[in-house]
Amino acid sequence: QVQLQQSGAELVKPGSSVKISCKASGYTFTSYDMHWIKQQPGNGLEWIGWIYPGNGNTKYNQKFNGKATLTADKSSSTAYMQLSSLTSEDSAVYFCARGALDAWGQGASVTVSS
Amino acid sequence: DTVLTQSPALAVSPGERVTISCRASESVSTGMHWYQQKPGQQPKLLIYGASNLESGVPARFSGSGSGTDFTLTIDPVEADDTATYFCQQSWNDPRTFGGGTKLELK
Repeated sequence: QVQLQQSGAELVKPGSSVKISCKASGYTFTSYDMHWIKQQPGNGLEWIGWIYPGNGNTKYNQKFNGKATLTADKSSSTAYMQLSSLTSEDSAVYFCARGALDAWGQGASVTVSS
Repeated sequence: DTVLTQSPALAVSPGERVTISCRASESVSTGMHWYQQKPGQQPKLLIYGASNLESGVPARFSGSGSGTDFTLTIDPVEADDTATYFCQQSWNDPRTFGGGTKLELK
């Protein structure tokens, strides 16, 4: 069955960067976009962007240009999202989701605090 | 960006029929999808393309609409349906989500 396993919770300092991983299994990794979505506590969902692992093409929500960088490693079927210049506004749960958002990771919590 | 507006909360009794609405600020054709999210869990796709039931989702769930007005219907509602329901559009860039409707059972 399709599974997306995300990395664990992160506590990071303001101004630093963090890289979250999403390991895919149960399907052909290079055949589906991988999307990333942000959810702040008590808030709704924000779409960050997607990467197509087959060729590395990416598309970002303009709001996250310069904040998020999406990459993928075909050899390990793992997608990554790096968040830079972190502030308290970046504290959230981040989800990866396949293609038509028909399968989601369990979420990775990022807390930005000094 | 396309703004999706949902009522914040609804309360219904088990066995009743409930409709959750989502209004888009501009046309999204049939590029509307619905998700269920329970506390501490990831969202789960229920309906895609406005009216198509995702595999494995009970037939109690259905979706309708096109353009700017969409509805998710649960009939009959069961206790396990307590959750927050989000609409999401994929027609316009960037993709956007509604604020969610929290469904509570009386």
